[in-house]
Amino acid sequence: GAVVSQHPSRVICKSGTSVKIECRSLDFQATTMFWYRQFPKQSLMLMATSNEGSKATYEQGVEKDKFLINHASLTLSTLTVTSAHPEDSSFYICSARRREHEQYFGPGTRLTVT
Amino acid sequence: AQRVTQPEKLLSVFKGAPVELKCNYSYSGSPELFWYVQYSRQRLQLLLRHISRESIKGFTADLNKGETSFHLKKPFAQEEDSAMYYCALYPLTGAGGTSYGKLTFGQGTILTVHP
Repeated sequence: GAVVSQHPSRVICKSGTSVKIECRSLDFQATTMFWYRQFPKQSLMLMATSNEGSKATYEQGVEKDKFLINHASLTLSTLTVTSAHPEDSSFYICSARRREHEQYFGPGTRLTVT
Repeated sequence: AQRVTQPEKLLSVFKGAPVELKCNYSYSGSPELFWYVQYSRQRLQLLLRHISRESIKGFTADLNKGETSFHLKKPFAQEEDSAMYYCALYPLTGAGGTSYGKLTFGQGTILTVHP
């Protein structure tokens, strides 16, 4: 089956620093990947759509300068949280679209900003 | 714009009892509906989709276009069914615009099956 990995699984960083999260599709190519944010026991909030070779599309209310997305290859998308603050602490989940209507989710990254 | 509503945040049943997780949606075009499940400490995974009309782990869901619902049902709940369940909508045709190509999730329902 299709597998999507995320790295790191958890990260703790100090306020003001930046942190990069990687999302990889391991056995398929994905021209489109998605980044979500999930609060405890709540729904997934779509942050942005990552398109290989082009700029990401951000959802309303998501700061594109704060959440930098790069989709440099068909198997890798990265999310960089710049100048992180405690309110950015959350669970970040990526998904990769293998074909129309089929998305596979990564295991998520727990970010804690101290 | 599309919207998915799961009215129950928490649902508790006893093992062997029937369970129904409610999902209602609004979308002006033709949607595809999904149920995703997230077990404790595991990733989100697809449970079933309305187009395939199959039963997975004893769960079924029927798309009711008249009531715009896609409720998830299982006649006899098991303890291992305890998890977070998300209903999601994918726009097949219709409204397009900024919603195209994106899954919209409901708020999720935490199902607890007691022994």
